[in-house]
Amino acid sequence: SQTIHQWPATLVQPVGSPLSLECTVEGTSNPNLYWYRQAAGRGLQLLFYSVGIGQISSEVPQNLSASRPQDRQFILSSKKLLLSDSGFYLCASYRLNTEAFFGQGTRLTVV
Amino acid sequence: SQKIEQNSEALNIQEGKTATLTCNYTNYSPAYLQWYRQDPGRGPVFLLLIRENEKEKRKERLKVTFDTTLKQSLFHITASQPADSATYLCALGGNDYKLSFGAGTTVTVRA
Repeated sequence: SQTIHQWPATLVQPVGSPLSLECTVEGTSNPNLYWYRQAAGRGLQLLFYSVGIGQISSEVPQNLSASRPQDRQFILSSKKLLLSDSGFYLCASYRLNTEAFFGQGTRLTVV
Repeated sequence: SQKIEQNSEALNIQEGKTATLTCNYTNYSPAYLQWYRQDPGRGPVFLLLIRENEKEKRKERLKVTFDTTLKQSLFHITASQPADSATYLCALGGNDYKLSFGAGTTVTVRA
């Protein structure tokens, strides 16, 4: 089965600083990759998904961007963080009609 | 727009009893529905998938039903144990690349 590696596990960043979260996938090729954000007590909000290298679809307008430089690498970035960017970020790999595999998540606190 | 609602935020039950969780959805015709378990500070873990043409699915002490007329899924944990304490998320998938999640129901099983 697949393994999703996400790092770091926790991150505290000042407002206005840049962000880069990396996600890599093992155990599959050509996966569909996803970035979700989860606020406390809330569901998972889909931020970006990618069906191939260089292909990014954005679900909500926001202060974040995503890139997929390699087949099994997915990066979430921001040039200048806002307080509202705080949350629990999850990377996932998913194929139609099958289970989704999630990383362990990154807890981002913007101060 | 799509809406996925899971029953009350928290469910407290006695060990050995059956926990029943509800997932209702509107403005959506999912091809399948999934249930995940999420422990605090961790990524969700897949439990069960049920397709639109299936009424019921079982896995060990877990049972899921799917009623596309009522637009509802029920998730049962029978003979509950303290180790079943977690947040349970339902997710809906269609014929696109997206998996949409509910906010989750937190289950606490008392010994």
